[in-house]
Amino acid sequence: DAKTTQPPSMDCAEGRAANLPCNHSTISGNEYVYWYRQIHSQGPQYIIHGLKNNETNEMASLIITEDRKPSTLILPHATLRDTAVYYCIVRDPTSGTYKYIFGTGTRLKVLA
Amino acid sequence: DAGVTQSPTHLIKTRGQQVTLRCSPKSGHDTVSWYQQALGQGPQFIFQYYEEEERQRGNFPDRFSGHQFPNYSSELNVNALLLGDSALYLCASSLAGAGGPSETQYFGPGTRLLVL
Repeated sequence: DAKTTQPPSMDCAEGRAANLPCNHSTISGNEYVYWYRQIHSQGPQYIIHGLKNNETNEMASLIITEDRKPSTLILPHATLRDTAVYYCIVRDPTSGTYKYIFGTGTRLKVLA
Repeated sequence: DAGVTQSPTHLIKTRGQQVTLRCSPKSGHDTVSWYQQALGQGPQFIFQYYEEEERQRGNFPDRFSGHQFPNYSSELNVNALLLGDSALYLCASSLAGAGGPSETQYFGPGTRLLVL
């Protein structure tokens, strides 16, 4: 599975959009991009995933560029409850490798 | 829709003891993965169980073992506890399939283990 690179920390003002980048320059064609977040040592919470197209759900949007090397998770209107560590993971679910490889993630702090 | 549940929430053990942690998967899921998360680190994959067998294992010693029951619930056993085993132990469930949304892993709240 491809490795991911994320900035260690980011701040965002409450009510503004939070844009969290992830670099996965060695991503292969069958690898999905997954985003999770972990709030204060609770279990990681699934946010969104995508393969080639941009995706949106009730929590966030995932922007994947045409070459798929970077992606961006967008929280459109950040609240204080969005303060968490955000993990970007790439994985090919058809590869026979079932584990998720977590990095150290991005610690997002939403400021009042 | 019941999510992933884990028990106990917290546990304190002494070096050399043995511990068993339990996990019930999300309703409709048949696969359980276990992760260890040390303080300040991302979760590390221990192993995954499917059809009551260990399907894949991470880089953990055989002091770490598991089991999956016919109802898909799972246990993680750790023998001969070391101080370094102190961590948050996470269970994640998923539905085995051809990929896409069915492979997404959903995590439980974790069991915090402290070894003294």
